[in-house]
Amino acid sequence: QKEVEQNSGPLSVPEGAIASLNCTYSDRVSQSFFWYRQYSGKSPELIMSIYSNGDKEDGRFTAQLNKASQYVSLLIRDSQPSDSATYLCAVGSGNTGKLIFGQGTTLQVKP
Amino acid sequence: ETGVTQSPTHLIKTRGQQVTLRCSSQSGHNTVSWYQQALGQGPQFIFQYYREEENGRGNFPPRFSGLQFPNYSSELNVNALELDDSALYLCASSLVDNYGYTFGSGTRLTVV
Repeated sequence: QKEVEQNSGPLSVPEGAIASLNCTYSDRVSQSFFWYRQYSGKSPELIMSIYSNGDKEDGRFTAQLNKASQYVSLLIRDSQPSDSATYLCAVGSGNTGKLIFGQGTTLQVKP
Repeated sequence: ETGVTQSPTHLIKTRGQQVTLRCSSQSGHNTVSWYQQALGQGPQFIFQYYREEENGRGNFPPRFSGLQFPNYSSELNVNALELDDSALYLCASSLVDNYGYTFGSGTRLTVV
């Protein structure tokens, strides 16, 4: 079992729709969770961090965390073609600062 | 614009050679991590440095080594390059652990 799992996609949504990206993790003691966006040929860019159960909203992005189910999700409202990218889920490992990444989900937003 | 800069941006090396990749962190960032990202995969943790000392290492052989300097710059050295070392190498820095890292633009290494 991979430590952080994501569906590689591609996930295709029409412009203006809600895109839902999911991630599960195996280490129950994980305390910090991140979503990064990576455009093709570029480096990852942090878009959301979440540390407590529940929802965290930032503009069109909402991160959801359920530690009991070991599940993290990212919702993108009013999806735009510029949101087309690979979205990486990352989980902080203990106190080392190490991030464990999933393989990423490719999102395609079609005009 | 990212505050983390990496050099060079692209590099081609021959199998068996050695390579040094460089990273300049944002001022005051005392933690730097290096990641390897193969095509189509998520980044894999290589190691982390905190105040010039290694502070955690991933599942990479000893031929991957690093340094962090007092001016918050750092290096990743890879000896005896193998074809599978071809990847995007990312440097990431932060002020505080687990608060989300800022990645540099990366170095694309190709081993032929």
